[in-house]
Parts: sequence; C-alpha cells; structure tokens
Amino acid sequence: AQTVTQSQPEMSVQEAETVTLSCTYDTSENNYYLFWYKQPPSRQMILVIRQEAYKQQNATENRFSVNFQKAAKSFSLKISDSQLGDTAMYFCAFMKPTGTASKLTFGTGTRLQVTL
Amino acid sequence: GAVVSQHPSRVICKSGTSVKIECRSLDFQATTMFWYRQFPKKSLMLMATSNEGSKATYEQGVEKDKFLINHASLTLSTLTVTSAHPEDSSFYICSAPGAGGGNEQFFGPGTRLTVL
Repeated sequence: AQTVTQSQPEMSVQEAETVTLSCTYDTSENNYYLFWYKQPPSRQMILVIRQEAYKQQNATENRFSVNFQKAAKSFSLKISDSQLGDTAMYFCAFMKPTGTASKLTFGTGTRLQVTL
Repeated sequence: GAVVSQHPSRVICKSGTSVKIECRSLDFQATTMFWYRQFPKKSLMLMATSNEGSKATYEQGVEKDKFLINHASLTLSTLTVTSAHPEDSSFYICSAPGAGGGNEQFFGPGTRLTVL
C-alpha cells in the first residue's frame, strides 16, 4: 500500500516571502500521479498542482511549483510571493491510475499561516 | 470546471436516527464517486468508492451496514449514516473524477454532521 508523509504539521511565512512544504511517499509503482490540494477555512478542497510521474519536468502553476524527485520519492511544494489567501491546510496526495476508480491517498497535511 | 455539490452542508440529528447526505455532479457524469471522512485538523480518510449501478466498495474497517451508499444515477450518490451515534459526528466529503485526462478529482464542499 502507498503511504504519503508530510513531516511539517505547521508552517508560517510572511507575506511576499517563499515557503516550501515537504512531502515524501512510498510506492513500488512506476506510473502514478502526485497532487497538492489546498483546504482553506471554508474546507473546500482545491487542486493546487499536479505532477505525472513519467514527466521529468517539474510542474508549475503561477506562484506554485513543485520539486519532484522520483528516485528519492519526494514531492515538495514551493509557494512564491506568499499571499494572505494562501493560508490553508495543504495536503499532498498520491494516485495510482486505475481508470475511474483511481483512489487518492492523502498525507496528514501541513497547516500554513501567511502573516503580515 | 466540473462542480460537485453536497446537501445538506450541515445537519444535526439525535442519536439513533439516520441521516442521508447527497453528492451530485452538476455538469458532468460520474460512474464513480468517493466518500471521505475528515476529523478536525486531520486528513481525509477514504471510506468507500461509490459505483453507479453496483455495490459500493468499502475500505477496511468501515462498517458497510452503518454507512449505506447508493449510487442511483450518473450524477447522484448518497451516503446514509444509520443509527447515528455521537462518534459518527464528523465532516463528510465526496469527490468525483472528471471526464478529462490527468485523473483530477473534484470535491464537494462537505457536510458537517453533528449527532447529539
């Protein structure tokens, strides 16, 4: 079974600064997807960024980028120019693609607080 | 983008009663939906996979007789918590995979259940 580990329960960053959230995972699969989801106080889960394991290039979405190290099974999220609206719980997630029944395995989450 | 709704958003019930939570895909069809449970400040725990036209697949440790799942149509899945007890109080979230590639899942806004 796959496991996802987020070793930072809480982090804080000042507005406009950069912060990196860590995520490691354990799998014997070669083909899979990795995700970062954001859960703000409203508790609506929002997809931040996605990485296909077969792609060597790190995914980027505006201020959000990942550092995907497949051999090390590491998938960190970098948030640049942090904004107050980035305050949320961030979950790293793993998916082994098996058609429409592909399940997500979530890490324990990192609570990010962006301060003035 | 694809939208998933949940109803109700909040429900309070007495111990021993049953509560039904609906999950709808508003602008796309979903043969599969997922039900999660989330405790305060914790991660999402997959409870079951809802399959249109067939029985749900429950994760290990989830009581199928307590958490009844029915996937009546391509846009609706329901979770019924039977004979609810205070320990069933939690935040319940559903998700559905989108039709496009990338294995993205779209999440409902969640339902907060409080059992008195």
